[in-house]
Order: sequence, then structure tokens, then C-alpha cells
Amino acid sequence: SQQGEEDPQALSIQEGENATMNCSYKTSINNLQWYRQNSGRGLVHLILIRSNEREKHSGRLRVTLDTSKKSSSLLITASRAADTASYFCATGKNTGKLIFGQGTTLQVKP
Amino acid sequence: ETGVTQSPTHLIKTRGQQVTLRCSSQSGHNTVSWYQQALGQGPQFIFQYYREEENGRGNFPPRFSGLQFPNYSSELNVNALELDDSALYLCASSLGGTQEETQYFGPGTRLLVL
Repeated sequence: SQQGEEDPQALSIQEGENATMNCSYKTSINNLQWYRQNSGRGLVHLILIRSNEREKHSGRLRVTLDTSKKSSSLLITASRAADTASYFCATGKNTGKLIFGQGTTLQVKP
Repeated sequence: ETGVTQSPTHLIKTRGQQVTLRCSSQSGHNTVSWYQQALGQGPQFIFQYYREEENGRGNFPPRFSGLQFPNYSSELNVNALELDDSALYLCASSLGGTQEETQYFGPGTRLLVL
């Protein structure tokens, strides 16, 4: 079963614009992670935010976590065509088992 | 590149057959997790191996089984294949037993069951 729900399911923007994806989850967590997947290949880890953190940055990525609302958002600033991919949130509870959402498909048009 | 490799990259089997998928973990990692990703869906956790022992299992039937070897590489075996087993199978390695929960994924094996 899927833990998270991502919103929107699909997003299409122009190069240079910002992209925001949201993730909601159901149970308590230790951490939430975001992954990127290009064309049905392996997942690439983007960022991990722990339950006691509220915001984290990595390059053009900004992740927020609101544990009271059980939600997270991923912001990609100044998007590029190479950012075109599917993005997944995954929650962890120190068990090693990641529970993934359904993903958001992002298309960045040149 | 994560350093995690999987073989084969693609595989076609018929219903009822058995399949073995292989995964080599990143150097220094002692934990391997396996996931099944159906088309258009997020990955679903199958099971995890930590130091050669099964360390958690998702909602998959017993015909999905695995092994982890002393070098921490791993195999996923699926018996009595069904059409719904067609999916991308991903393995991920990590350093278990620490606070580091980041998992590093291989490129996947795409299985088609006819």
C-alpha cells in the first residue's frame, strides 16, 4: 500500500520557472525523502529531511516538512529541461523500509 | 552513479516460470532492500536483507524470496510467475544499523511476464 499521495500527479512548466510538488502521508515518520526517476530507470536520492527539521536546502531544491499536517513540499527553483522526470516522496521509520507515494511527473519545456 | 548494479537489465518470462534477479550493493553497505514498481506507480517494498538475514518484509507472497551473500550482494527469486509480476524491480543498498537511512538505488531490472 502507498503511504503518501503526491500532488499534482503531473506538472508542466517552462524552463526557468519554479516547480512545486506536495506530498501527504498518513502515519508518523522518522524522516521523509525525495527521489527523482528518469524514464523508468533507477531512483536518484535528492534530499532527506528528518522529523525534527522543518526546512532543508540543497542547491536549487528546497524541502519543507510539516509533521502536524503530515505533509511535505519540494520546490525546484529555476527549472531546467534536465529536471524533467518523475519525483517521489518516501517516508521512513528507521526500519529501512521506505514507503513511496505515487509520484509527480514533471515536464520542463525548453 | 550510485555504485549499485543489477542484472539482467531486461528479462522476458512466461507465466509459471521462475526468475532470479541479482544486485550488487555499494561498497561498504551491508543492507539491501528490494522494491517492485509497476508501470505508473511508486515502488513497493518487497523485503530487506541486513547482514545476510531477512530484516523486514512487505505485503508480498512467499513465492517472492531472497538471499544475501557474505559480500552483501543479493538475489531476488520469484517462483510461479504471474502476469501481474511484470514490473521494474529495484534494489537499493544502505548502511544499516546507523541513523543513515538514505538508500542508493540500482538501475533496475525490467521483467515482462507473458
